[in-house]
Amino acid sequence: GAVVSQHPSWVICKSGTSVKIECRSLDFQATTMFWYRQFPKQSLMLMATSNEGSKATYEQGVEKDKFLINHASLTLSTLTVTSAHPEDSSFYICSAPEGQGIHEQFFGPGTRLTVL
Amino acid sequence: GQNIDQPTEMTATEGAIVQINCTYQTSGFNGLFWYQQHAGEAPTFLSYNVLDGLEEKGRFSSFLSRSKGYSYLLLKELQMKDSASYLCAVMDSNYQLIWGAGTKLIIKP
Repeated sequence: GAVVSQHPSWVICKSGTSVKIECRSLDFQATTMFWYRQFPKQSLMLMATSNEGSKATYEQGVEKDKFLINHASLTLSTLTVTSAHPEDSSFYICSAPEGQGIHEQFFGPGTRLTVL
Repeated sequence: GQNIDQPTEMTATEGAIVQINCTYQTSGFNGLFWYQQHAGEAPTFLSYNVLDGLEEKGRFSSFLSRSKGYSYLLLKELQMKDSASYLCAVMDSNYQLIWGAGTKLIIKP
């Protein structure tokens, strides 16, 4: 199956700093990528849909100025958590569908963010 | 509103069979997915159903009834490595995935 990578796998930062998370499709091109957040013992929550060459679409309640998304190429999307606070500590996961079909999405391994 | 319901936790014995149910109410339907997620890891794809009936893939099978808004994931010959959370997700009319909260499956020797 297709492979999606994320970097970094985990990050610890101080409150007030910004953190960038990269999501790459390694063996396919992805015009769309999805960013999820998952708190412990909870389900995945879609934050935004990243679109190559255009602005991201944010879900209701997600601050677009705080969670900056840039889909720079057909294989790379980045999520920047600006001015991070402890409540932003979570597991961030990206995914991408391969091709134009509506079948399975391929998930990156996730990024564990801890804000002190 | 849109809603996906699945049990929070289930326990089963190694070598046995377990069925994880999922009921859904969504605006439109473009398929139902089952994913497996081990603690601290991202979900991995298990199955996709868009037509009624049973899809079998090795030890795992998934069933769908669109008229009842119901699906189940059947795991046979359970192994300890099957201990994980199992997520049910429905793709709605906007092709967005609506996720259930997941069922934590505990396998005992």
